[in-house]
Amino acid sequence: DAGVIQSPRHEVTEMGQEVTLRCKPISGHNSLFWYRQTMMRGLELLIYFNNNVPIDDSGMPEDRFSAKMPNASFSTLKIQPSEPRDSAVYFCASSNPTGRAFFGQGTRLTVV
Amino acid sequence: DAKTTQPPSMDCAEGRAANLPCNHSTISGNEYVYWYRQIHSQGPQYIIHGLKNNETNEMASLIITEDRKSSTLILPHATLRDTAVYYCIVRGNTNAGKSTFGDGTTLTVKP
Repeated sequence: DAGVIQSPRHEVTEMGQEVTLRCKPISGHNSLFWYRQTMMRGLELLIYFNNNVPIDDSGMPEDRFSAKMPNASFSTLKIQPSEPRDSAVYFCASSNPTGRAFFGQGTRLTVV
Repeated sequence: DAKTTQPPSMDCAEGRAANLPCNHSTISGNEYVYWYRQIHSQGPQYIIHGLKNNETNEMASLIITEDRKSSTLILPHATLRDTAVYYCIVRGNTNAGKSTFGDGTTLTVKP
């Protein structure tokens, strides 16, 4: 199994541009999670899905952030418009209902 | 999720056992203790978890006190590649990825 796959690995964009981060969870996992990591705030859960349905998006910082999971094998996290303070590493993780979560390698986003 | 307390940093000599403590005095009866680690620039990696019995796998051992208010992660023979931030998380056993990550313990393994 290739694990959780995130793309791109690195993204540099200008303030105001739309950014889309992508995640392919591990096949057979029915839960998917988006985290953000910064030096100041550490690892924060943004949103999670069970069976493609968003369950808790209370961690999404603003309306500029949106996440979708159109099917069991794909999810996106979109920021529109992006701002410099959105610069962070964004992680996607997937899991079965019980047991451990598997994280991707992350997308390092830099907004200039 | 119950709150956990970990020392911010620890050092360990290569080849020696690394013992990483975690306090979780408010743990409830159905909450598990999970350990993850994050090596620089990588995603967090699952290590081990347990409810009340001690657990061992190929990576580490987990010792949970009888009152479950604290635990210790043991890396029996630390290597330089074990240098990482180690997170102790207490949570139920559903929604496995919905975890509250604190600041963790930065373990530095020295030659």
